[in-house]
Amino acid sequence: GAGVSQSPSNKVTEKGKDVELRCDPISGHTALYWYRQSLGQGLEFLIYFQGNSAPDKSGLPSDRFSAERTGGSVSTLTIQRTQQEDSAVYLCASSLVLLGAPTNEQYFGPGTRLTVT
Amino acid sequence: AQSVTQLGSHVSVSEGALVLLRCNYSSSVPPYLFWYVQYPNQGLQLLLKYTSAATLVKGINGFEAEFKKSETSFHLTKPSAHRSDAAEYFCAVSDSEGAQKLVFGQGTRLTINP
Repeated sequence: GAGVSQSPSNKVTEKGKDVELRCDPISGHTALYWYRQSLGQGLEFLIYFQGNSAPDKSGLPSDRFSAERTGGSVSTLTIQRTQQEDSAVYLCASSLVLLGAPTNEQYFGPGTRLTVT
Repeated sequence: AQSVTQLGSHVSVSEGALVLLRCNYSSSVPPYLFWYVQYPNQGLQLLLKYTSAATLVKGINGFEAEFKKSETSFHLTKPSAHRSDAAEYFCAVSDSEGAQKLVFGQGTRLTINP
């Protein structure tokens, strides 16, 4: 079946502009995660959704970052007033959460490479 | 809070040689441990996972990892490297059941020499 998809695959934007990154999780996956991968910081957790709610937003680096999920499916990560330090690859993952299941197997999308000039 | 340390940001082995990628974790509770592989310009692919069922875990592409609680380690091995194994490998930990975030190590880039 289809995996996690993300769009756009590449985004170049000017400093100060807003950007929206989209994630389509695997159908039926209730949990969705955003991570950021950058040279200096490695792979960092940003936010996690269970359904449409976000129980853990602890990784969002500033109030310029926000995310939403609608219909328990598609999620959008928005970065306002982009800065050069926002340049990174933004990865989305989804997982099927079963009650009592011990695993947390996350399936990753190919990422969106954001470059802020 | 849990954390992961991968020893060696870059490992180089010859084709056919043993691959050993090191991972040590820190967690206050029994952890769930994962190894992911990332090929150039692609997302992460799960190689294997430890969830307390067995200490020796076998994954895809001939990789395996052994959970050693006394050493707080979860090293990844493969008996014979293939050139297709060249990629970046990430160890990750989650200390909770269900849907919780993963904490990743810094990654190890594996190079295979002909």
